[in-house]
Amino acid sequence: AQSVAQPEDQVNVAEGNPLTVKCTYSVSGNPYLFWYVQYPNRGLQFLLKYITGDNLVKGSYGFEAEFNKSQTSFHLKKPSALVSDSALYFCAVRAAYSGAGSYQLTFGKGTKLSVIP
Amino acid sequence: NAGVTQTPKFRVLKTGQSMTLLCAQDMNHEYMYWYRQDPGMGLRLIHYSVGEGTTAKGEVPDGYNVSRLKKQNFLLGLESAAPSQTSVYFCASLTGGRTDTQYFGPGTRLTVL
Repeated sequence: AQSVAQPEDQVNVAEGNPLTVKCTYSVSGNPYLFWYVQYPNRGLQFLLKYITGDNLVKGSYGFEAEFNKSQTSFHLKKPSALVSDSALYFCAVRAAYSGAGSYQLTFGKGTKLSVIP
Repeated sequence: NAGVTQTPKFRVLKTGQSMTLLCAQDMNHEYMYWYRQDPGMGLRLIHYSVGEGTTAKGEVPDGYNVSRLKKQNFLLGLESAAPSQTSVYFCASLTGGRTDTQYFGPGTRLTVL
């Protein structure tokens, strides 16, 4: 079974400060890891993913995430937060090999990011 | 391309009524998924399809049925709605490549009274 933990329900950060949204995972074998963002009353938008290779992944809107295999973590980061980054962020995982071929994602419960002007 | 679209955007049902949610994608994707999103629960997979004519159960399939008669459409049905099915429903699709990404529709907000 695969699972994702986002330990913080809410993260508050001042505009211009760096932000981190935490994610840890559990999966059999190698993981594929994803971050999605959801703005109010909208669907989920893909931000970035880790498949293999460089542990630092760069994505949309200046976000990046660092894969740490030993700590089974995939934290989302941004050097300088914007008010417009305020949204709900979801981490998701699936096994690199899915025997049933379903490519099912397991999502965390989400972290609400509030960037304070 | 419109991407992934969902119909309707909002719906209010009474307990016991039935309805069908439609998901359509114009990206020729093989795989399609239905999720529900509830506060503090994240997204949970209801049913999915790995191709036209196929369906399979996800994490929370009870009370729902699905059909994938055409590759571009994935229907989610509620035969007898219950208040516990009040939720926001999202559809997603992907091509099927091992490193591919799921793309989501805008969601349907369903309230069951």
